[in-house]
Amino acid sequence: QKEVEQDPGPLSVPEGAIVSLNCTYSNSAFQYFMWYRQYSRKGPELLMYTYSSGNKEDGRFTAQVDKSSKYISLFIRDSQPSDSATYLCAMSDLGASKIIFGSGTRLSIRP
Amino acid sequence: NAGVMQNPRHLVRRRGQEARLRCSPMKGHSHVYWYRQLPEEGLKFMVYLQKENIIDESGMPKERFSAEFPKEGPSILRIQQVVRGDSAAYFCASSPPNFYEQYFGPGTRLTVT
Repeated sequence: QKEVEQDPGPLSVPEGAIVSLNCTYSNSAFQYFMWYRQYSRKGPELLMYTYSSGNKEDGRFTAQVDKSSKYISLFIRDSQPSDSATYLCAMSDLGASKIIFGSGTRLSIRP
Repeated sequence: NAGVMQNPRHLVRRRGQEARLRCSPMKGHSHVYWYRQLPEEGLKFMVYLQKENIIDESGMPKERFSAEFPKEGPSILRIQQVVRGDSAAYFCASSPPNFYEQYFGPGTRLTVT
């Protein structure tokens, strides 16, 4: 079993829809949770990071962490065609020096 | 403020040759990480370095791969005697002391023929 599981998609939604992207994990020691966006043939771009449980909002993006269920989500409101990319969840435990990435979900926003 | 820089962006090597990948971290960042990404797969951690020190190399293959981050100059990921299975995108990231805030470069795409 992988430490971090992420549905590869592809996920296709119409412009303006709310998008929900999710990851599950098995290591209860994970405390830091990150979301990256990666456009084709580019480097990953850090979108948001959160510590422990709860919600964090940044513009159209909201990250949620439910540690009791070992489940994290990224919501994108008012989705735009420019949001079409692969979204990678990532996480790490306190004191660790490396990040474990999910395999990514490919998202396509239809105009 | 320039971001993380990597060069070359594309590198073609024949089997048995050496590949050298370079990474210059963001200004003010002293922590460097190398990752490998195979097609349709996520990023796999390889090594974490600070200036003149390897902190964690638990993701590095035991043979043919090495990394350094000298006092002066970029970090180097070196792959000796490359094989076809080494073909991948190699990404470098840098961070301030809080390691979870990593910023990635554009990557080097290595093709072994």
